[in-house]
Amino acid sequence: AQSVTQPDIHITVSEGASLELRCNYSYGATPYLFWYVQSPGQGLQLLLKYFSGDTLVQGIKGFEAEFKRSQSSFNLRKPSVHWSDAAEYFCAVGAANSGYALNFGKGTSLLVTP
Amino acid sequence: GAGVSQSPSNKVTEKGKDVELRCDPISGHTALYWYRQSLGQGLEFLIYFQGNSAPDKSGLPSDRFSAERTGGSVSTLTIQRTQQEDSAVYLCASSSPGLAGRYEQYFGPGTRLTVT
Repeated sequence: AQSVTQPDIHITVSEGASLELRCNYSYGATPYLFWYVQSPGQGLQLLLKYFSGDTLVQGIKGFEAEFKRSQSSFNLRKPSVHWSDAAEYFCAVGAANSGYALNFGKGTSLLVTP
Repeated sequence: GAGVSQSPSNKVTEKGKDVELRCDPISGHTALYWYRQSLGQGLEFLIYFQGNSAPDKSGLPSDRFSAERTGGSVSTLTIQRTQQEDSAVYLCASSSPGLAGRYEQYFGPGTRLTVT
């Protein structure tokens, strides 16, 4: 069955520290991969996406993610976290053979401490 | 330009009543999606519209849920005989034409539905 797993429900990092949020997927076809961020009371904002090509993709707000086919992973990274990055982060996967709906992970809640 | 808008932002209703939730997609976006976000289930796909094609209703949880899209733009999600388990945030998204564009979905702020 197709699935998206975000192993970490909560993560706490200090402001200025580096961040890595994990995402693993199980899909039969080549996946299209996304990271979204949701601030409290807000809708989801697209951070970055991967369809094909270079496996390291750059997004907005200084985020990047790397697609590793061998590990079925698409981890999100940021070298230096800002307090405003505190939010809920969702990994999402789509595939050409499963319609256009996105399959979302359960999310990782990021807390940034001073 | 304007993003996806949804109304109302909050809706409180009594169990058994019908509710209608509205979504205005980004102008020019031909695809429109409804998702539901709840604490227990995370983000769940409900229904997808693409142009004049028949909608993909595979995510609707029961026949109490229905949606329509008029004129290829505004969409209304209707929940009949609401139950407490319908309490959730209902998110609408839209995307542009083209294969890759369809997956790049832009979300509205959501409607928080509370069934008492």
